[in-house]
Amino acid sequence: DTEVTQTPKHLVMGMTNKKSLKCEQHMGHRAMYWYKQKAKKPPELMFVYSYEKLSINESVPSRFSPECPNSSLLNLHLHALQPEDSALYLCASSQDTQGSNTEAFFGQGTRLTVV
Amino acid sequence: RKEVEQDPGPFNVPEGATVAFNCTYSNSASQSFFWYRQDCRKEPKLLMSVYSSGNEDGRFTAQLNRASQYISLLIRDSKLSDSATYLCAVNTIKAAGNKLTFGGGTRVLVKP
Repeated sequence: DTEVTQTPKHLVMGMTNKKSLKCEQHMGHRAMYWYKQKAKKPPELMFVYSYEKLSINESVPSRFSPECPNSSLLNLHLHALQPEDSALYLCASSQDTQGSNTEAFFGQGTRLTVV
Repeated sequence: RKEVEQDPGPFNVPEGATVAFNCTYSNSASQSFFWYRQDCRKEPKLLMSVYSSGNEDGRFTAQLNRASQYISLLIRDSKLSDSATYLCAVNTIKAAGNKLTFGGGTRVLVKP
């Protein structure tokens, strides 16, 4: 089972709202990722968690705040977003971030619209 | 220069034909390589990992050329359902940790 589950599938939020995106995997993977994808562009890495610790932050604005409550869950807290933050937000997981165990599996994504 | 580059296409392929395309990467320290398929408004789905010796999965063959720093994907006997965007992904060691970076994608359109 290579399933990564993301909720919600769609989200519309105002620029003053606070919302959270959720991601869950039960494959025993120890690395989890947040990517952002705009239309007709490739996924862009935002954050990497390895063994529940933040290992990479790709200079993401502080209005995006990741959280990894445990090895199966990854959240992305959103606050004071801008319309240009509208995109598909993808969560992924892999067994590890090193060696031969770096195959990443993606959730279906949350399509976010900021109004 | 971008870390991972692909020809955006589209590659217009007659049904049943063979199509091949490459992906170049700039960091010689890159460790592992993957091909993903992405359909419109869907998430990327892992198609295959790319090994040094090359690997084949049905109609799909992937090759890695470390000397020239590129990977390739070949699709034989193309089906209409192969129409999609094919993304290559490269895992590179960084000081902060390993990072999976995607190319811009190659669009393939298989036509009857």
